[in-house]
Amino acid sequence: AQSVAQPEDQVNVAEGNPLTVKCTYSVSGNPYLFWYVQYPNRGLQFLLKYITGDNLVKGSYGFEAEFNKSQTSFHLKKPSALVSDSALYFCAVRDKPLRAAGNKLTFGGGTRVLVKP
Amino acid sequence: SAVISQKPSRDICQRGTSLTIQCQVDSQVTMMFWYRQQPGQSLTLIATANQGSEATYESGFVIDKFPISRPNLTFSTLTVSNMSPEDSSIYLCSCLAVQETQYFGPGTRLLVL
Repeated sequence: AQSVAQPEDQVNVAEGNPLTVKCTYSVSGNPYLFWYVQYPNRGLQFLLKYITGDNLVKGSYGFEAEFNKSQTSFHLKKPSALVSDSALYFCAVRDKPLRAAGNKLTFGGGTRVLVKP
Repeated sequence: SAVISQKPSRDICQRGTSLTIQCQVDSQVTMMFWYRQQPGQSLTLIATANQGSEATYESGFVIDKFPISRPNLTFSTLTVSNMSPEDSSIYLCSCLAVQETQYFGPGTRLLVL
């Protein structure tokens, strides 16, 4: 069975400071890893993904994430946080290609990010 | 990326009634999904909506409670039947676009009184 852990319910950071949102995963095969953001009263927006290739992936709004196979982690980072980055962030994982039988995207519990001016 | 719209965006319903949520994608997609996000919680997959056949439900979800239709490659509906306050959630439609990425609609916020 696959699982995702986001160990922090909330992350507080001052505007302009680096932002890190932690994610660790457990899968039986090769992981397909995703980050989504949910702004208040909005749906989920795709930020970035790791399928294969470079361990450092860059996504929307200046976010990036580093895939670390040995630590089974996929932490989300932004060098300089903005107040507008305040939102709920979800890490998600699959262990199969999307069209494979039994495919399922599993979400972490979410981390609320609060960026203070 | 795919653009997904949902109707209604929110609703307040009485217990015992049913609500049908519509999901429209701006392009043909092979796979569509329905998720539930209960208050303050993460997303849980309800079912995969299969075009031309019955939906595939996850453990804990049944067709009688959450009937799903998928008449074509751009449209799906989810019905929440015989609602109770425990059904109060955000219901999100999702689809596979390109390169293994799932995209999500804006969600339907349901409150059952």
